Amino acid sequence: NAGVTQTPKFQVLKTGQSMTLQCAQDMNHEYMSWYRQDPGMGLRLIHYSVGAGITDQGEVPNGYNVSRSTTEDFPLRLLSAAPSQTSVYFCASSYGTGVYGYTFGSGTRLTVV
Amino acid sequence: AQTVTQSQPEMSVQEAETVTLSCTYDTSESNYYLFWYKQPPSRQMILVIRQEAYKQQNATENRFSVNFQKAAKSFSLKISDSQLGDTAMYFCAFTPAYNTNAGKSTFGDGTTLTVKP
Repeated sequence: NAGVTQTPKFQVLKTGQSMTLQCAQDMNHEYMSWYRQDPGMGLRLIHYSVGAGITDQGEVPNGYNVSRSTTEDFPLRLLSAAPSQTSVYFCASSYGTGVYGYTFGSGTRLTVV
Repeated sequence: AQTVTQSQPEMSVQEAETVTLSCTYDTSESNYYLFWYKQPPSRQMILVIRQEAYKQQNATENRFSVNFQKAAKSFSLKISDSQLGDTAMYFCAFTPAYNTNAGKSTFGDGTTLTVKP
């Protein structure tokens, strides 16, 4: 099993550009989420989904959009990149609502210049 | 909303010794789960151990064990017989269960652990 696959691993954007971070899991997990990790800080929840067609906001949703058309895929869209969005982004999935713990992707390091 | 506090930004331990990482949390939730995750230099987040809040028995996974004090809202991680591969950042996480906040995990800021040979 591949687990949770995130692409790309690294990305540099110019301010104002848009892009999509891809996330796919092959474990048939209903629950998927996106977190960002800033230096010296823990992970903060951006958006999450409890199943195909259902998404909701987390703690820091501004500037990001998500959709969940299939169980496997949960892309994160940056609408107009800003330097404040420079961070490492993690996609995670779990059985149930995360009560068994998450399986994380390897992360995407995004730099906005 | 819940908060998770890890008061030790950095710690070090000699190989083969025991070390304890601290975590406290604040919540009004009655049902929840607590976790420790490990993030080595590779950046990959790895689940280390899980505790169900309604269970009084402390969870153990090989060399890793927790001391869960529900009344004190404390959840510390003990690593026994520390190995060089334990060098990583460790995150404490809180996950509510069974209500509208289910799955919306909160993470602490992490403790960087260095195991010295």
